[in-house]
Amino acid sequence: AQRVTQPEKLLSVFKGAPVELKCNYSYSGSPELFWYVQYSRQRLQLLLRHISRESIKGFTADLNKGETSFHLKKPFAQEEDSAMYYCALIDGNKLVFGAGTILRVKS
Amino acid sequence: DGGITQSPKYLFRKEGQNVTLSCEQNLNHDAMYWYRQDPGQGLRLIYYSQIVNDFQKGDIAEGYSVSREKKESFPLTVTSAQKNPTAFYLCASSQPGSYEQYFGPGTRLTVT
Repeated sequence: AQRVTQPEKLLSVFKGAPVELKCNYSYSGSPELFWYVQYSRQRLQLLLRHISRESIKGFTADLNKGETSFHLKKPFAQEEDSAMYYCALIDGNKLVFGAGTILRVKS
Repeated sequence: DGGITQSPKYLFRKEGQNVTLSCEQNLNHDAMYWYRQDPGQGLRLIYYSQIVNDFQKGDIAEGYSVSREKKESFPLTVTSAQKNPTAFYLCASSQPGSYEQYFGPGTRLTVT
């Protein structure tokens, strides 16, 4: 079965520090991967997808097929980045989510 | 803040009772999904529907049932057979051919 692993339940960084949220996957074929984010008291929403290769709110994620990873990065964390982040991949016609990582940005 | 609505926000039931969670969308999306969110386990797919009058089991369908009689609505029934029903339930929808899912605000179900 396809699987998404987010090894860190909680990542705590200081404001202005770099952030890297880890995501590893197991998938046979060419994966299509996403990052979703859930801010406090808001709905879960799409942050970015690897196909578009975009930067959203300063975040980027590069698909590394050799390492089967799709880590989410931001060079300088801001307090408003504090949220729950989920990595997900497409499996057929559904999404498979990782367990999620809580990011806490301290001032 | 339309799109997808779930009601109620909080729901309390006694053990042994069936309970139905509502999910409605006005996005004209064909596909709808139900997830269960538990701490440390992420989102797990319960059921999904790609089109009206059709639905498929997800990874944890046991103890749950759904119907899809209308495009806009995808209610989830948590039956008494579900061993651990207390959880946060999320509904989502998407357009055909798009894997971006739009999520509702969720319903927190507590069964005692």
